[in-house]
Amino acid sequence: GAVVSQHPSWVICKSGTSVKIECRSLDFQATTMFWYRQFPKQSLMLMATSNEGSKATYEQGVEKDKFLINHASLTLSTLTVTSAHPEDSSFYICSALDRPNTEAFFGQGTRLTVV
Amino acid sequence: GQNIDQPTEMTATEGAIVQINCTYQTSGFNGLFWYQQHAGEAPTFLSYNVLDGLEEKGRFSSFLSRSKGYSYLLLKELQMKDSASYLCAVRGTGGYNKLIFGAGTRLAVHP
Repeated sequence: GAVVSQHPSWVICKSGTSVKIECRSLDFQATTMFWYRQFPKQSLMLMATSNEGSKATYEQGVEKDKFLINHASLTLSTLTVTSAHPEDSSFYICSALDRPNTEAFFGQGTRLTVV
Repeated sequence: GQNIDQPTEMTATEGAIVQINCTYQTSGFNGLFWYQQHAGEAPTFLSYNVLDGLEEKGRFSSFLSRSKGYSYLLLKELQMKDSASYLCAVRGTGGYNKLIFGAGTRLAVHP
């Protein structure tokens, strides 16, 4: 299957700083990527849909100014958590579709800890 | 609105068969997915159903009834490594083919 690479796998940052997470499709072009957040023992919550060359579509309740998404090319989407606080500590996962109506391939996930 | 329900936890014995149910109510339907997720890892794809009926893939099978808004994942010949969370996800007919996930079912396989 297609490969989606997410970096970094884990990151620890100080409260108030910003953290950038990258999601790359390695062997296919992804016009659409999705960003999820997962708290311990809970399911994946969709945060936003990232579209190449246009603004991201955010789910209700997700602050677009806090979670900046940039989909600059067909193989790269980035999520920047700005002014991170301890409550932002979570597991962030991206996924991408290589073609419409096919399975979504997931990145490895990023464990963010804000101290 | 979107609502996807599945049991929170299940236990089963090694070598046995277990069925994990999922019911959904979504605004539009364009396929149902099952994923396996081990703790601290990303989900891995198990199956995809878009038409009614049973899809079989080795020890795993998935069933869909669109009229009932119902699916199940069947795991046969359970192994200890099958202990994981199983996520049911529905793709709606809105833009971008986004997947909405259920809360997941944590399966514990015992010897």
